[in-house]
Amino acid sequence: DAKTTQPNSMESNEEEPVHLPCNHSTISGTDYIHWYRQLPSQGPEYVIHGLTSNVNNRMASLAIAEDRKSSTLILHRATLRDAAVYYCILRREYGNKLVFGAGTILRVKS
Amino acid sequence: NAGVTQTPKFQVLKTGQSMTLQCAQDMNHNSMYWYRQDPGMGLRLIYYSASEGTTDKGEVPNGYNVSRLNKREFSLRLESAAPSQTSVYFCASTLGPVSDTQYFGPGTRLTVL
Repeated sequence: DAKTTQPNSMESNEEEPVHLPCNHSTISGTDYIHWYRQLPSQGPEYVIHGLTSNVNNRMASLAIAEDRKSSTLILHRATLRDAAVYYCILRREYGNKLVFGAGTILRVKS
Repeated sequence: NAGVTQTPKFQVLKTGQSMTLQCAQDMNHNSMYWYRQDPGMGLRLIYYSASEGTTDKGEVPNGYNVSRLNKREFSLRLESAAPSQTSVYFCASTLGPVSDTQYFGPGTRLTVL
């Protein structure tokens, strides 16, 4: 499985946008980019995923570089409830396994 | 819908004891997974079941067994618990083996003394 690299931690102010980066230089053509987050003392929850084009949903936006070697999860207005560990994961087109790294701890200040 | 439920929420075992962690989902999903999460680390896959009647090893299967009892239920058994199995265990499910979204349960916090 291709690996991803994320910063250990990031900090944001409440109500401001947050850009969480992820590098995946060994990504293959059939790898989807998935983002999950894990709130304190809870199981992970799905945030968003994409293949080549930028994606938007009610939770976040995913910006994928043209060469697909990096991506950025964008939270448009961070709230205290967004404080969590964010995982960037590559999943093969027909793969059923998620391989989690250590993720990025996002702290949100009021 | 309750989603994915796990029992128990907490458990303390002594070395050598056995126990079974239970997981159930009410979303009519075909695939189910067991992960463990050690402090400060991401989740690691123990076993998964792509569909009812099938199970496969994940990244860290040693010391564990699983049973896909029916479509709803997927249990994880520790036959002889060891301190190295102290961890938080998460169960997850997806509609199918290539589905986009995994839904996770709340976790079972296991301590082995």
